[in-house]
Amino acid sequence: GQNIDQPTEMTATEGAIVQINCTYQTSGFNGLFWYQQHAGEAPTFLSYNVLDGLEEKGRFSSFLSRSKGYSYLLLKELQMKDSASYLCAELDSNYQLIWGAGTKLIIKP
Amino acid sequence: NAGVTQTPKFRVLKTGQSMTLLCAQDMNHEYMYWYRQDPGMGLRLIHYSVGEGTTAKGEVPDGYNVSRLKKQNFLLGLESAAPSQTSVYFCASSPAGDRVTGELFFGEGSRLTVL
Repeated sequence: GQNIDQPTEMTATEGAIVQINCTYQTSGFNGLFWYQQHAGEAPTFLSYNVLDGLEEKGRFSSFLSRSKGYSYLLLKELQMKDSASYLCAELDSNYQLIWGAGTKLIIKP
Repeated sequence: NAGVTQTPKFRVLKTGQSMTLLCAQDMNHEYMYWYRQDPGMGLRLIHYSVGEGTTAKGEVPDGYNVSRLKKQNFLLGLESAAPSQTSVYFCASSPAGDRVTGELFFGEGSRLTVL
């Protein structure tokens, strides 16, 4: 079966930078997604990578290495509102999303 | 903009009771999905639909049924609720043209407790 691995929880300081890693199985890959989910709310789309490299979108960037089955989400200039869970998801060979369990990011003042 | 709307938001059931969760989207999306989210686990796909009148099983379909009689609505039914179905249920939709990009638009979730 498919496996998406990401850390369960991370802590960072307001104003700092944090990198959230995600590894996935490389067979039948069609893209890698990051979603943000605040507690008690719905996931919302952050980024999509299908080619190797870095995609930058404001304070958030997402990186993909297809050969390594590896992605990361980089959050800069952290704000308290960035406290949320970050979900990594792979689009598999059937164009279905396989989700990781999410990384809970705690921002401290 | 309403986007994706789920009803009810909260529900408590007794084991063996039945209920239906309603999902409505006003974005004219072709694809609709029902997921469940449990602590420590990723979102798991229950059923999905690629268009009006079509449904398909996802990863965890047992104990659930769905219908897509109208393009804008996707119903999730529990015929005989079990405690293992206690979860938060999310409906999502996506436009067919962007299916390969996988971007989903989610409803706010429905928290179901089965006693």
